Amino acid sequence: SQQGEEDPQALSIQEGENATMNCSYKTSINNLQWYRQNSGRGLVHLILIRSNEREKHSGRLRVTLDTSKKSSSLLITASRAADTASYFCAIGGTSYGKLTFGQGTILTVHP
Amino acid sequence: EPEVTQTPSHQVTQMGQEVILRCVPISNHLYFYWYRQILGQKVEFLVSFYNNEISEKSEIFDDQFSVERPDGSNFTLKIRSTKLEDSAMYFCASIEIAVDNEQFFGPGTRLTVL
Repeated sequence: SQQGEEDPQALSIQEGENATMNCSYKTSINNLQWYRQNSGRGLVHLILIRSNEREKHSGRLRVTLDTSKKSSSLLITASRAADTASYFCAIGGTSYGKLTFGQGTILTVHP
Repeated sequence: EPEVTQTPSHQVTQMGQEVILRCVPISNHLYFYWYRQILGQKVEFLVSFYNNEISEKSEIFDDQFSVERPDGSNFTLKIRSTKLEDSAMYFCASIEIAVDNEQFFGPGTRLTVL
């Protein structure tokens, strides 16, 4: 299975701290995408990183990809209470194919 | 910024009834998807659709499910005879075929089968 497995399952930090979430997968990938989901709401796309990329930035977000270790990490710097949400990695096996989601990391940022 | 939209936001139905969930993908997107998320569980792929036909479907997408693009803008998911276990949040997503193939998701339809 290409399923992403996130680690940790839950993360609780104070506002201003950095949050790091990890994702591991089992097979080769075309891309890996990170999403945020606020409780009971839709999935917001954060970043896509392709298999030939190693790092990507978007605002306070930094995503890395290590294909040799079959793992990715999402770093949120200077976290805010509004970052409280579930974060999912989703594995894209092909360019336009399905995404396979992991269980997600529940991030709680305390003001 | 263009968004994927879905209607209704919440649908309550009786077991055995047919439901149609509607999605309007982003206008220049060409690949469409349905996913579902049972409460407390991970998001699961149902089906992908391109060029007016199904590209890929999961084991969940059995004969009770069908998809259609009835016009140039709508993309629908029909469940013919709903079961209790169909209760879930259903998400539509779409892709613009380009260099970076981000799948953009709609806000979801919460389906409750009683």
